[in-house]
Amino acid sequence: EVQLVESGGGLVQPGGSLKLSCAASGFTFSGSAMHWVRQASGKGLEWVGRIRSKANSYATACAASVKGRFTISRDDSKNTAYLQMNSLKTEDTAVYYCTRDIGDAGDFDQWGQGTLVTVSS
Amino acid sequence: DIQMTQSPSSLSASVGDRVTITCQASQDISNYLNWYQQKPGKAPKLLIYDASNLETGVPSRFSGSGSGTDFTFTISSLQPEDIATYYCQQYDNLPPAYTFGQGTKLEIK
Repeated sequence: EVQLVESGGGLVQPGGSLKLSCAASGFTFSGSAMHWVRQASGKGLEWVGRIRSKANSYATACAASVKGRFTISRDDSKNTAYLQMNSLKTEDTAVYYCTRDIGDAGDFDQWGQGTLVTVSS
Repeated sequence: DIQMTQSPSSLSASVGDRVTITCQASQDISNYLNWYQQKPGKAPKLLIYDASNLETGVPSRFSGSGSGTDFTFTISSLQPEDIATYYCQQYDNLPPAYTFGQGTKLEIK
């Protein structure tokens, strides 16, 4: 069974940092692109960023709203993807989902349960 | 950047009704368009990929069509368990961007 389990969410002050993890199981993690998508309470879905597989040079990309503040990485030996969030703003408050893009074709066929990040003083 | 315009933002229909949601891209995206269902408190679920392909295990009452800039998502006969918010999403490679529509909240009349 495919599983994606996010962790690392919590309360952080504006300007602070947080690192989210996404532990994957049940599929060949090393061959899949992985993305992060967030959703503020009562709002729609917003793509945050992605990291491709080793075969695609671990290429990363991020949304303009987080570029320069957020970094995506992965450790294929641990079947885990990461989202490092720095210089956090109140508007970054959201549930953060990791998703699988198995064909690197832009469709997210598996999602984690999400982890809540709250940026507040 | 490509913008996605999804309509309507909310929709009320009766069980058994045919329901249609549209999504319009600001420029040609070929068939790089997916549809997701999100129930309250849950993660989204992929229903349709590449505009018209039904994801494995998804009931056949769900379908998608379109290419270029105009896309349609249809539920042929609405069921009570279909109450959810539906999102379209496009994929662009240059630069990489994965944009969601604003969502359509579907309710039972």
